[in-house]
Amino acid sequence: DAGITQSPRHKVTETGTPVTLRCHQTENHRYMYWYRQDPGHGLRLIHYSYGVKDTDKGEVSDGYSVSRSKTEDFLLTLESATSSQTSVYFCAISESEGLGGETQYFGPGTRLLVL
Amino acid sequence: RKEVEQDPGPFNVPEGATVAFNCTYSNSASQSFFWYRQDCRKEPKLLMSVYSSGNEDGRFTAQLNRASQYISLLIRDSKLSDSATYLCVVNMKNQGGKLIFGQGTELSVKP
Repeated sequence: DAGITQSPRHKVTETGTPVTLRCHQTENHRYMYWYRQDPGHGLRLIHYSYGVKDTDKGEVSDGYSVSRSKTEDFLLTLESATSSQTSVYFCAISESEGLGGETQYFGPGTRLLVL
Repeated sequence: RKEVEQDPGPFNVPEGATVAFNCTYSNSASQSFFWYRQDCRKEPKLLMSVYSSGNEDGRFTAQLNRASQYISLLIRDSKLSDSATYLCVVNMKNQGGKLIFGQGTELSVKP
């Protein structure tokens, strides 16, 4: 299995609080992604990174920001959590041009509940 | 219309059965296709890529029909361990090459 960890694995928070999720990889892959998975919607891309300090928006980026200061870490921040952001969040990595179809490897996921 | 559509199931089949999953995609510019498997409360994992000529990996066969924008996955001789959700995934070239995931089709193999 690819060396990808996510922390925390579970989190309960209140509406309006900031939340940061961390994705850490030991594979030295260039590309990293954050997805959310909700019933009826499948996996949807929030943000992605194609290198240190290089990030771009995905399909559902509103309310989220990301940062990548090191190759191995990709942080997802909910500036002010809302109940609609209750979801399962997956980080993924790919070695080369993941957006061109390269295999993506997923972390174990973070279950976030916003009350 | 969703960009990648799958029958959500669930498909309930006995061990040993052959089961087929279908997937349609809306963007004719799509260039790469995959099937991922996701076990309950786990992360998705790549099952197989789908090539234009069709490809097989043991009991699993994937087919692509570009003219009909249709992808299929056939599982022969189903095992209990095949129970999972199968995700159809398409690379949308004219959307920056992003991967688009279908909702998934749930399979339950019973003894």
